[in-house]
Amino acid sequence: DTEVTQTPKHLVMGMTNKKSLKCEQHMGHRAMYWYKQKAKKPPELMFVYSYEKLSINESVPSRFSPECPNSSLLNLHLHALQPEDSALYLCASSPLAGVETQYFGPGTRLLVL
Amino acid sequence: AQSVTQLDSHVSVSEGTPVLLRCNYSSSYSPSLFWYVQHPNKGLQLLLKYTSAATLVKGINGFEAEFKKSETSFHLTKPSAHMSDAAEYFCVVRLTGGGNKLTFGTGTQLKVEL
Repeated sequence: DTEVTQTPKHLVMGMTNKKSLKCEQHMGHRAMYWYKQKAKKPPELMFVYSYEKLSINESVPSRFSPECPNSSLLNLHLHALQPEDSALYLCASSPLAGVETQYFGPGTRLLVL
Repeated sequence: AQSVTQLDSHVSVSEGTPVLLRCNYSSSYSPSLFWYVQHPNKGLQLLLKYTSAATLVKGINGFEAEFKKSETSFHLTKPSAHMSDAAEYFCVVRLTGGGNKLTFGTGTQLKVEL
């Protein structure tokens, strides 16, 4: 099973809302990633978790808060977002955070009103 | 610093004709290189990867890419395009050191016409 799942598929939220994105993999991978992708642009790395610990934060604003409760699950908590945060949010995983292929989920399309 | 340049933002081919998507890389060391495909409103799917084994890499759906160190290129090819190949294609290099950070090219939109 080489599948990374993400929920929800679509999300609309107001600037005062709090919501969470969820990512799950059951491949035994120990590294997980969040990316943000704007329309017609390549994905941009936001966070990397390795062995459930945050190893890379690409200077992401604090209104995005990642969480890795266990080795299979990765959350992204959203609070007080801005309209410019509207994008496709992609989760990926890899066996280790080394020379390993990353497998991507289908993404959550977020619209902030 | 490592980077990739995708030379064409848009490529249009007729169904049944060959596909060539061009990618040049810049790297101080022997890089790991990938091609990913993204269909509309979908996530990224790995097509193939080069990690210093054979220079001609075969991927899924009939795609292949050749690593040419002398030309610093990793072009993606397919002998015969299918309508289902229409998508965005990203050439990606993995940064040496610093974990598993990927640097994406700007993407090539492939259009396949009847």
